[in-house]
Amino acid sequence: EDKVVQSPLSLVVHEGDTVTLNCSYEVTNFRSLLWYKQEKKAPTFLFMLTSSGIEKKSGRLSSILDKKELFSILNITATQTGDSAVYLCAVAAFNAGGTSYGKLTFGQGTILTVHP
Amino acid sequence: EPEVTQTPSHQVTQMGQEVILRCVPISNHLYFYWYRQILGQKVEFLVSFYNNEISEKSEIFDDQFSVERPDGSNFTLKIRSTKLEDSAMYFCASTWLGLQAFFGQGTRLTVV
Repeated sequence: EDKVVQSPLSLVVHEGDTVTLNCSYEVTNFRSLLWYKQEKKAPTFLFMLTSSGIEKKSGRLSSILDKKELFSILNITATQTGDSAVYLCAVAAFNAGGTSYGKLTFGQGTILTVHP
Repeated sequence: EPEVTQTPSHQVTQMGQEVILRCVPISNHLYFYWYRQILGQKVEFLVSFYNNEISEKSEIFDDQFSVERPDGSNFTLKIRSTKLEDSAMYFCASTWLGLQAFFGQGTRLTVV
């Protein structure tokens, strides 16, 4: 069974701090790892990672994947109160037949709270 | 920006009643999904739908659940006889090639 574990489960910081969120996974036939931000309701897409060592960056957020050690990190620099949310890590895998229909297995999320 | 839309945003139903949750995926997407999130728990996969049939489903997706794409735009999840434990947020999602999933705002289902 595919498994995704995120740490820490919650994190409280002040504006301007830098945070690192962790995601480790055990997946048979890995295809991709995705990060989402969940505020009130829907998860919104942040990054999709498929290759080791290639950093994806969007503004103050960046992420990298290590397929050998089976983990990913999400960094947020110069945090703002608007970054407060649950950050979800999810993995997609190929099935035994080598096909992927995009099913995602999610971790439990990291609750980030940024105080002014 | 194209988005996945879900209706209703909140549904309250009595135990044993049938409910239908509706979704309009992004128009050129080919893969459609339902996930659920029980309060305080992980987002869990229910079912994927491609080429007008179920491509994968989880153990949660038993005979009480069904999905349908009745026309070119809607994608529905039906729960035939709701139980208290079906109370959750239900998310619809869609992707073009089964890669980057876009999620709807969710339907909060409360079974009383």
